[in-house]
Amino acid sequence: RKEVEQDPGPFNVPEGATVAFNCTYSNSASQSFFWYRQDCRKEPKLLMSVYSSGNEDGRFTAQLNRASQYISLLIRDSKLSDSATYLCVCRAAGGTSYGKLTFGQGTILTVHP
Amino acid sequence: EPEVTQTPSHQVTQMGQEVILRCVPISNHLYFYWYRQILGQKVEFLVSFYNNEISEKSEIFDDQFSVERPDGSNFTLKIRSTKLEDSAMYFCASSYRGLVGNSPLHFGNGTRLTVT
Repeated sequence: RKEVEQDPGPFNVPEGATVAFNCTYSNSASQSFFWYRQDCRKEPKLLMSVYSSGNEDGRFTAQLNRASQYISLLIRDSKLSDSATYLCVCRAAGGTSYGKLTFGQGTILTVHP
Repeated sequence: EPEVTQTPSHQVTQMGQEVILRCVPISNHLYFYWYRQILGQKVEFLVSFYNNEISEKSEIFDDQFSVERPDGSNFTLKIRSTKLEDSAMYFCASSYRGLVGNSPLHFGNGTRLTVT
């Protein structure tokens, strides 16, 4: 089983649509969770951290369900500039894991006019 | 906003040759990392580095790989004898406190390595 699993998509949505991405993780020791976005052939960029209580940043809402080992990202009022690959990322607790992030395969989003 | 910079942006090398990928992390950051992404695949952790030593490495990071911080600003990844399967985008990243303190990683824009 993959450590971090995402629906690869692609998701093709019109501008203004609401779209949701899901992610599951297999390592129950995972402690920190993030959504990154990656544009074609570019570096991953942090979109937002994901907190247990859920959190919102403008049009983006992230949720975490530790019991189900499930993370989600909701994008409201999609813009053309939201077109990218969205990466679900986890970090396990303990040891000397100063930076070992585990990335999902990514979900491709295309927003069209 | 400070950036992590990587050079070169694209490196082409022949199988068996040594390559050195260079990175300049953000100046006040203390933790340094290398990740790689084979075309069409996920981003994979290679190694983390703190206090002038490797703090963690993945199974990908075998004896052919090494990292070094030769001075106060550069952080390099060396591949001693490249193989075709080393072809990938290599990302350097840095963070201030490491993820123990939930300090985010800042990624450089990557070096595309092509081994022929």
